[in-house]
Amino acid sequence: DVKVTQSSRYLVKRTGEKVFLECVQDMDHENMFWYRQDPGLGLRLIYFSYDVKMKEKGDIPEGYSVSREKKERFSLILESASTNQTSMYLCASSFDHYSNQPQHFGDGTRLSIL
Amino acid sequence: SQQGEEDPQALSIQEGENATMNCSYKTSINNLQWYRQNSGRGLVHLILIRSNEREKHSGRLRVTLDTSKKSSSLLITASRAADTASYFCATDPKAAGNKLTFGGGTRVLVKP
Repeated sequence: DVKVTQSSRYLVKRTGEKVFLECVQDMDHENMFWYRQDPGLGLRLIYFSYDVKMKEKGDIPEGYSVSREKKERFSLILESASTNQTSMYLCASSFDHYSNQPQHFGDGTRLSIL
Repeated sequence: SQQGEEDPQALSIQEGENATMNCSYKTSINNLQWYRQNSGRGLVHLILIRSNEREKHSGRLRVTLDTSKKSSSLLITASRAADTASYFCATDPKAAGNKLTFGGGTRVLVKP
């Protein structure tokens, strides 16, 4: 089974801090994704990556950046955290972007910015 | 923007009853997927139906897809309390490279 591991289940940070959310997958998947999930707004794609050192903006990239230095690891960075970035963050991976394959999700990080 | 829209937003049923939820979408797709999310956890993939398929089964789950109406339904038969969760449809649009678009979800409560 694919395992997607997010480094923290809960995280509390202060406004203005630089925040790193880490995600690791163990199945050599090419694709990795970061979403945020808010009540009433569903899942929204922040950034995704199809390969090492490659990144593409999703629907709501403002205030975020990402890093993919190794195939198995995809990091989400909040450059200067703000209270409106309090949310549930979900990482996912999938085999590649050609085949009909599902995405596999981590357990999420519930981030609170005070 | 959310392409998939689920209906109803919430559903409350008794254990043993069937639960049906629907999803509508707007553009051409490679496939449509259903996921479950237990409270406070990540999403778990349930079933994927390709655009050239009309019906698919997995255990107590039955999914239909009507590409002419751009809609799908998920049926959970003989529901159990453990089926209590939120259910999301996600579309994999053509030429989007597995970049899924999720609906807002249906919250299902199965009462024992």
